[in-house]
Amino acid sequence: NAGVTQTPKFRILKIGQSMTLQCTQDMNHNYMYWYRQDPGMGLKLIYYSVGAGITDKGEVPNGYNVSRSTTEDFPLRLELAAPSQTSVYFCASSTFPLGDEQFFGPGTRLTVL
Amino acid sequence: AQSVTQPDIHITVSEGASLELRCNYSYGATPYLFWYVQSPGQGLQLLLKYFSGDTLVQGIKGFEAEFKRSQSSFNLRKPSVHWSDAAEYFCAVGGGYQKVTFGTGTKLQVIP
Repeated sequence: NAGVTQTPKFRILKIGQSMTLQCTQDMNHNYMYWYRQDPGMGLKLIYYSVGAGITDKGEVPNGYNVSRSTTEDFPLRLELAAPSQTSVYFCASSTFPLGDEQFFGPGTRLTVL
Repeated sequence: AQSVTQPDIHITVSEGASLELRCNYSYGATPYLFWYVQSPGQGLQLLLKYFSGDTLVQGIKGFEAEFKRSQSSFNLRKPSVHWSDAAEYFCAVGGGYQKVTFGTGTKLQVIP
């Protein structure tokens, strides 16, 4: 089991560019999540999904979009990147509904200049 | 709304000394409580979790935590810290269909 994998590990974007952060899990988990982590701020939920075809907003969804066409994949799309989106992004998944233990990927460090 | 407070941003302990990391939570019902550890450049890994039952929970790497409902606390402890325990530790609260809320983290430094 690879668990939760994320690509790329690092990326530098210019203001206004777009990109997709990839997330794949091989544990057959229905629930998947995207978080951003900023220094001293803990983790903030961006979007989550309760199954293929079903997504919903978290605390900080503005500037992001997601899709969930398969159980395994949950990509996060940044349109028109802004410096405020400089952060470390984590994808996670869980077997049980939202309040349960989550398995995290290694993260993507994104810088927007 | 649920919340988690980790009052210590940074803690330094000597190798072999005992450790206690504090966590206070606010939640309207019986919470699910978690401690995660994050090593530099890595994702979060679950140390232990409390759902119900025995209020003293054992986790991986020799860690334990005690749920105290009257104090709304879930402090993490380890009797003897190793240099490899240096990392950032996050307390989190959730429950059922309530999304997990993470604390802001406590960075642990271990002095040889």
